[in-house]
Amino acid sequence: DTGVSQDPRHKITKRGQNVTFRCDPISEHNRLYWYRQTLGQGPEFLTYFQNEAQLEKSRLLSDRFSAERPKGSFSTLEIQRTEQGDSAMYLCASSPEYEQYFGPGTRLTVT
Amino acid sequence: RKEVEQDPGPFNVPEGATVAFNCTYSNSASQSFFWYRQDCRKEPKLLMSVYSSGNEDGRFTAQLNRASQYISLLIRDSKLSDSATYLCVVTSNAGKSTFGDGTTLTVKP
Repeated sequence: DTGVSQDPRHKITKRGQNVTFRCDPISEHNRLYWYRQTLGQGPEFLTYFQNEAQLEKSRLLSDRFSAERPKGSFSTLEIQRTEQGDSAMYLCASSPEYEQYFGPGTRLTVT
Repeated sequence: RKEVEQDPGPFNVPEGATVAFNCTYSNSASQSFFWYRQDCRKEPKLLMSVYSSGNEDGRFTAQLNRASQYISLLIRDSKLSDSATYLCVVTSNAGKSTFGDGTTLTVKP
C-alpha cells in the first residue's frame, strides 16, 4: 500500500499524559499537513511542512502541540499534558503540490 | 464569521436527482480549491479540483467564482453511493488549508 499511513490508529490516554503520533506520507510528496477533526466539523488545520521546514502553524494551536518532520519524510505530532478537549481524530495528509491525500487518522481519547 | 462556510444540510434527495452545494470563502488571496468526500468515520477523499473554467468528471461538475468568492459542486443523476459529507477546502498562497464543515447528502431510493 503506497498511501499515507498513520500510527497508532487509536490512542486512549489519561489527562496530563503526553502522546505522540506518527505519519508516513506518500514517498514522493514533499508537503505534509496535520489536522484535527471532531464530530460534525471539518478538518481543522494545525500545521504544514514543505520538506523538513514547518511553514505554517495554526494560531489556534497552543504550546502543548508540536510537530516535526526531521528528514522531510515521516512526521510526528506530539501533544503534551493532554486535556479532555484534545479528544479528536488527528489526520495527516500529504501532497505533491496542492491536492492532499489523507491517512486513516489517529483517534485520540483523553479520559 | 468562518473563513470557509458551507450549508450543513442535510440534503435528502431521491435517486436520480440533481443536487448542488455551495461553499463561500473570505480570503481573496486563496489560491487552490478542492472538493472532498468523507464517509462516516473515514478520512476525507479527494473528489475533484475546482477551476474558474469549471471542471467536470462524469456526473460531477465543480465551478469557481473568484469575484463572488464561492465554489460549487453539482451532482447529476444521484446514486445511493453518493451519500456522504462533501467538504470544500481552500488553500492560501502560504499553504494554509481551510476546510468547511461539510454538507451532508443522503440519497434515498
